[in-house]
Amino acid sequence: GAVVSQHPSWVICKSGTSVKIECRSLDFQATTMFWYRQFPKQSLMLMATSNEGSKATYEQGVEKDKFLINHASLTLSTLTVTSAHPEDSSFYICSAPTLPRPKAFFGQGTRLTVV
Amino acid sequence: QKEVEQDPGPLSVPEGAIVSLNCTYSNSAFQYFMWYRQYSRKGPELLMYTYSSGNKEDGRFTAQVDKSSKYISLFIRDSQPSDSATYLCAMSAGSGNTPLVFGKGTRLSVIA
Repeated sequence: GAVVSQHPSWVICKSGTSVKIECRSLDFQATTMFWYRQFPKQSLMLMATSNEGSKATYEQGVEKDKFLINHASLTLSTLTVTSAHPEDSSFYICSAPTLPRPKAFFGQGTRLTVV
Repeated sequence: QKEVEQDPGPLSVPEGAIVSLNCTYSNSAFQYFMWYRQYSRKGPELLMYTYSSGNKEDGRFTAQVDKSSKYISLFIRDSQPSDSATYLCAMSAGSGNTPLVFGKGTRLSVIA
């Protein structure tokens, strides 16, 4: 299957700092990527849809100024958690469909801990 | 009614058992159906991808789709402890630009 690489796999940061998470499609072009958040033992919660060359579409309740998404190329989308606080600690995962089909592949996930 | 319903479990079975995981859905527009396996602290891994009704087999895994009943299943034969994970069903009406609709996932434990 297609490969989606997410980096870093884990990060610890101090409260008030910003953290950038990268999501790359390694062997296909991804004009669309999705960002999810997952709390322990819970299902995936869609945060936003990232579109190459245009603004991301955020789900209701997700602060767009806090979770900045940039999709500047056909293979890379980034999620920046700005002014992180302990409540932002979570598991963040990206996915990319192999368009035009909805067959989607996920990154390995990033465990963010804000102290 | 939620778009996709999936029993969260947990489901515990002995090694070698046949496991049946299921999802029901309400949106008749769904045409693409996927099963993902997620280990703890890892991203979901695509196991099965099917289009419309029918069966698909891949090794010990069989996916079944019954669109008339709006019901999909994943069967795992000869289950192994390494199959212990959370299994997520996911569906789409067809446009890859819209996010998949996921079930909440079923936690499976295969006991040696």
